Amino acid sequence: QKEVEQDPGPLSVPEGAIVSLNCTYSNSAFQYFMWYRQYSRKGPELLMYTYSSGNKEDGRFTAQVDKSSKYISLFIRDSQPSDSATYLCATYTNAGKSTFGDGTTLTVKP
Amino acid sequence: GAVVSQHPSWVICKSGTSVKIECRSLDFQATTMFWYRQFPKQSLMLMATSNEGSKATYEQGVEKDKFLINHASLTLSTLTVTSAHPEDSSFYICSGADRGFEAFFGQGTRLTVV
Repeated sequence: QKEVEQDPGPLSVPEGAIVSLNCTYSNSAFQYFMWYRQYSRKGPELLMYTYSSGNKEDGRFTAQVDKSSKYISLFIRDSQPSDSATYLCATYTNAGKSTFGDGTTLTVKP
Repeated sequence: GAVVSQHPSWVICKSGTSVKIECRSLDFQATTMFWYRQFPKQSLMLMATSNEGSKATYEQGVEKDKFLINHASLTLSTLTVTSAHPEDSSFYICSGADRGFEAFFGQGTRLTVV
């Protein structure tokens, strides 16, 4: 079993839709939870991170963590075609390594 | 965020030759550098972790003699794919971290071995 499991997708939504991206993890030692966005043929870029249960908002993006169920989500409001990319969830322990999900490819159609 | 510059962005080489990929942290000191490999539509597979001035720690199944990693300074790490073969064709990505969880990724290098 992978330590981080991500809903595989792909996901295709119309512009303006709310998008929900989800992951589960198995290791209680994970301390930080991150979401990366990766455009085709580019390296990932960090979108958001959180280290506690609850919600964290940044503009149209909301990261949600539920440590009791080991569930992490990213919500995108008013999705735009420029949001089309692969989204990777990741977790981190103080051992120094990040563990990534397999990614969900999102397409937002105009 | 901080910038990590990776070069080249793409390279084609003949089977049996070696290829060097550079990863530079431009505006921070990367105490730790990570090297990943990514196949199409798959996630990042960690190959090795290197700390400045130390030998790299390779993940299980990664041949250390084939993928040579050097992290001689706090701003530069290199990955050399030795005696490359077509099965080594992939997208290689580095990331650098000063401390903690926030690692900054390079642009990636697409390697094609013919």
